[in-house]
Amino acid sequence: AQTVTQSQPEMSVQEAETVTLSCTYDTSESDYYLFWYKQPPSRQMILVIRQEAYKQQNATENRFSVNFQKAAKSFSLKISDSQLGDAAMYFCAYKGNTGGFKTIFGAGTRLFVKA
Amino acid sequence: DAGVIQSPRHEVTEMGQEVTLRCKPISGHNSLFWYRQTMMRGLELLIYFNNNVPIDDSGMPEDRFSAKMPNASFSTLKIQPSEPRDSAVYFCASSFDILQETQYFGPGTRLLVL
Repeated sequence: AQTVTQSQPEMSVQEAETVTLSCTYDTSESDYYLFWYKQPPSRQMILVIRQEAYKQQNATENRFSVNFQKAAKSFSLKISDSQLGDAAMYFCAYKGNTGGFKTIFGAGTRLFVKA
Repeated sequence: DAGVIQSPRHEVTEMGQEVTLRCKPISGHNSLFWYRQTMMRGLELLIYFNNNVPIDDSGMPEDRFSAKMPNASFSTLKIQPSEPRDSAVYFCASSFDILQETQYFGPGTRLLVL
């Protein structure tokens, strides 16, 4: 069964600095998708960025980018020029093409942004 | 588009009462997912539907939980009878189809069972 591990329960970053959130996963599939979701205090789950496993190029969305290392099964999220509004819980997620097409979520990393 | 709509946003009830949570997926989306989020267990998939048909309900905790999707624009998650340990935030999400990789989440329903 696929698993997603976020080893950092909490992280903190100074405003305008860069922070990297870690995520590793375990799978035997070769074709799958990876996601980072943001959950601010409002509890809304917001898709931040996604990566298709067959693409070697790392996905980028404005200040958010990923470092996807397929062989290492690692999918980290880099937030550049951190802003106060980035403070939230961040979830790494995996979706394969087997296992009933379920999306598997990690336990989350809470990010604090210091002014 | 209004996004995924959930109601109520907050629900407080007493143990033993029936609770019904409602979800309207994004128009045109054919797959719908119900999740539960707690501090202890994180985000858990309870059940999901494709074209209004339940595909996998293995995440439903027990027989007290049931879900229906009578049409493409509406789903309910019912807990009867409710227990304090059911207190959680319940999310509904939808995607274009079962293979489509991105799910869009509703705002969630915060349930408190006293």
